Amino acid sequence: AQKVTQAQTEISVVEKEDVTLDCVYETRDTTYYLFWYKQPPSGELVFLIRRNSFDEQNEISGRYSWNFQKSTSSFNFTITASQVVDSAVYFCALSEAHNNAGNMLTFGGGTRLMVKP
Amino acid sequence: DAGVTQSPTHLIKTRGQQVTLRCSPKSGHDTVSWYQQALGQGPQFIFQYYEEEERQRGNFPDRFSGHQYPNYSSELNVNALLLGDSALYLCASSPDRAGYGYTFGSGTRLTVV
Repeated sequence: AQKVTQAQTEISVVEKEDVTLDCVYETRDTTYYLFWYKQPPSGELVFLIRRNSFDEQNEISGRYSWNFQKSTSSFNFTITASQVVDSAVYFCALSEAHNNAGNMLTFGGGTRLMVKP
Repeated sequence: DAGVTQSPTHLIKTRGQQVTLRCSPKSGHDTVSWYQQALGQGPQFIFQYYEEEERQRGNFPDRFSGHQYPNYSSELNVNALLLGDSALYLCASSPDRAGYGYTFGSGTRLTVV
């Protein structure tokens, strides 16, 4: 069975600080996909990134960066120079790759990030 | 280009009643999945529809059922509502069954009283 753990339930930072959101996952599959989603108060889940299990390269997109380490089953997300607009709940999710089947997403419990001005 | 559209946005039902939630997928998407998100928790997978059939199901009772129409739109039905069914119900569509390109709607907030 697959599982995603986000140990930080709530983080509060001051604007311009860097912040890292932790994600640890469990899966028996060798092929899987990891995701990060942002959920603002409106409720919609906004896609941020997808990473497959064979690509351990770190990725940077503007102020966002992701660190994928298979050895520790972690897929952490860092926001550099945080802004008030970054305030939201962030979810890490896992999808196992099956043939001829739909791939459900297993979500962590989420981390609520509050960025204060 | 419209994304995923869900209706209604909010709903209040009485315990024991039945409810139907609706979802129109993003243009070009043929696969629809439903998730339940209780307050303060991560979304939980309910089921996925492709080619008008349920392809995968999460750990939800038979009170939860669904349907997909030829135009790919979908419905989630919940019978014999319980107080614990109060949650945000999210619909996600993708252009393939693998679900690697999920787009989520804003959800339907269901309150059971």
